[in-house]
Amino acid sequence: EDQVTQSPEALRLQEGESSSLNCSYTVSGLRGLFWYRQDPGKGPEFLFTLYSAGEEKEKERLKATLTKKESFLHITAPKPEDSATYLCAVPINQAGTALIFGKGTTLSVSS
Amino acid sequence: DAGITQSPRYKITETGRQVTLMCHQTWSHSYMFWYRQDLGHGLRLIYYSAAADITDKGEVPDGYVVSRSKTENFPLTLESATRSQTSVYFCASKTGSGYNEQFFGPGTRLTVL
Repeated sequence: EDQVTQSPEALRLQEGESSSLNCSYTVSGLRGLFWYRQDPGKGPEFLFTLYSAGEEKEKERLKATLTKKESFLHITAPKPEDSATYLCAVPINQAGTALIFGKGTTLSVSS
Repeated sequence: DAGITQSPRYKITETGRQVTLMCHQTWSHSYMFWYRQDLGHGLRLIYYSAAADITDKGEVPDGYVVSRSKTENFPLTLESATRSQTSVYFCASKTGSGYNEQFFGPGTRLTVL
């Protein structure tokens, strides 16, 4: 069964304290992996797409990496404005129309 | 403004009533999607559309109806609302087939009493 699992469910960090969020997946034939950020009361905001193992993408304090079984979202020296829920998603059909989302990691960064 | 808009942003209705959630996008994206987001389940696909007049079911389509007469609009109708349909609904779109990202609207919070 296709599945996407994110851990931890919640993460509390101090400002400047770097950490990583995990997204593990079991799908037959990875076609890509997406990371989104979701703020309370808003829709998910696209961050990154990763297509193959070994690929890395960076944006400000965020860096996403991909292996054959999981993806990590590394947060370097986070700030309070990085507080949000981070979602990962994987397409499970050839047309890319069916995505399976993980349940998300809620990150809280305190100053 | 460019992007995806959803209306209404908040809706309270009663069991058995029909309600329609609207979605409009200005990017001319061919694909549009409807998701619901519930605690403990994450985002789940209800229906999607590859183009005008082409729609298909997602993971949780029961109790919902969609149509797409124009590329930019993709309304979602609950024909007879039930309490289990209380949720936050998100519309999304993407440019074409393949493994490219979807872009989401701001959501509609629906409460069925």
